Amino acid sequence: EAGVTQFPSHSVIEKGQTVTLRCDPISGHDNLYWYRRVMGKEIKFLLHFVKESKQDESGMPNNRFLAERTGGTYSTLKVQPAELEDSGVYFCASSQDRSGDAFFGQGTRLTVV
Amino acid sequence: LAKTTQPISMDSYEGQEVNITCSHNNIATNDYITWYQQFPSQGPRFIIQGYKTKVTNEVASLFIPADRKSSTLSLPRVSLSDTAVYYCLVVLVSYNTDKLIFGTGTRLQVFP
Repeated sequence: EAGVTQFPSHSVIEKGQTVTLRCDPISGHDNLYWYRRVMGKEIKFLLHFVKESKQDESGMPNNRFLAERTGGTYSTLKVQPAELEDSGVYFCASSQDRSGDAFFGQGTRLTVV
Repeated sequence: LAKTTQPISMDSYEGQEVNITCSHNNIATNDYITWYQQFPSQGPRFIIQGYKTKVTNEVASLFIPADRKSSTLSLPRVSLSDTAVYYCLVVLVSYNTDKLIFGTGTRLQVFP
């Protein structure tokens, strides 16, 4: 069974540009989460989808971040415009039920220069 | 959500048993104790979860005393490949959410 897949694995963009991260969850997992770790900080929750609906977006830092999950399958996280402080590793995770055991992808390392 | 406290780092040698203790003094009735493992350049990986007493799986054991204010992750006979960061989390498992709140974790280094 394929795990959670994230694209790209690395992205380097200039400040002010737009970047879109993609996450393909495990097939059949209704729950999809985005987390990120910025330099020197802990992994932080961003938001939670249940199918195509946003269940909890309390961790989204500001309106430059837009997450979508059309059709309840893959999800995208767009940062527009990117700022230097957005640099970090963005993790996607999925789960079949809400029991605290989620499957994480390998992450997308975003560098804004 | 309850905050957790665990050692920043630990060292061990191959073949030894490693016990990582986590304190969560403010744990609530509906919280579950959950441990994740993370290798460099990878996402966290679920290891084990428990509510009380002892839980064991093929990877580790989790010991939780009656007051649930602490827990201990036990890794039997560690190998070099167990070198990783281990996170203790207290997760509110409910209808609405099970978002994970990560702390700094414990960096375990296993030596030959």
